[in-house]
Amino acid sequence: DAKTTQPPSMDCAEGRAANLPCNHSTISGNEYVYWYRQIHSQGPQYIIHGLKNNETNEMASLIITEDRKSSTLILPHATLRDTAVYYCIAQKTSYDKVIFGPGTSLSVIP
Amino acid sequence: SAVISQKPSRDICQRGTSLTIQCQVDSQVTMMFWYRQQPGQSLTLIATANQGSEATYESGFVIDKFPISRPNLTFSTLTVSNMSPEDSSIYLCSTSSGAQETQYFGPGTRLLVL
Repeated sequence: DAKTTQPPSMDCAEGRAANLPCNHSTISGNEYVYWYRQIHSQGPQYIIHGLKNNETNEMASLIITEDRKSSTLILPHATLRDTAVYYCIAQKTSYDKVIFGPGTSLSVIP
Repeated sequence: SAVISQKPSRDICQRGTSLTIQCQVDSQVTMMFWYRQQPGQSLTLIATANQGSEATYESGFVIDKFPISRPNLTFSTLTVSNMSPEDSSIYLCSTSSGAQETQYFGPGTRLLVL
């Protein structure tokens, strides 16, 4: 599985867009980019995933570069409840084991 | 989707004892995974459990310390054996509802070993 790198922490003002970057330069052609988040004291929660096209759902948007070496998770209007650790994962299918890196700790500030 | 529950939600145990953590899924699933999350750290995969076969352990984890059962397609247990304070962690199970779906995680079991 491809290794991903993320900044250890980020701040975002409440109501503004939070843009969380992820580098996955060794991603293979059949690996998806998955994003999960873990709110304090809870199990990780799925956010979104994509292969090469940009994706959007009710929680977030995922922008994947054309060369697929990096991606950005966008929370369009961050709220205090979005304060969490965000994990970017590269994996072929959801049957594959998920190898978590340290993630990005996002703090949404009032 | 899959809804996962874990028992117990938390426990305080004495060193040298063992604790069995239960993971129940509301649907039949092929793969189940067990993770450990030490204080302030990310999640570390312990093992993968398929129904009807021996669990596959990651480097640094052994069956004698973390025996796993997978008796059917909706249930699994993880035992933390001969516990020491270093085993104080959150233990989580997860599964997937399909190859192109997402993984779902249980709420975790918070273990404190004294």
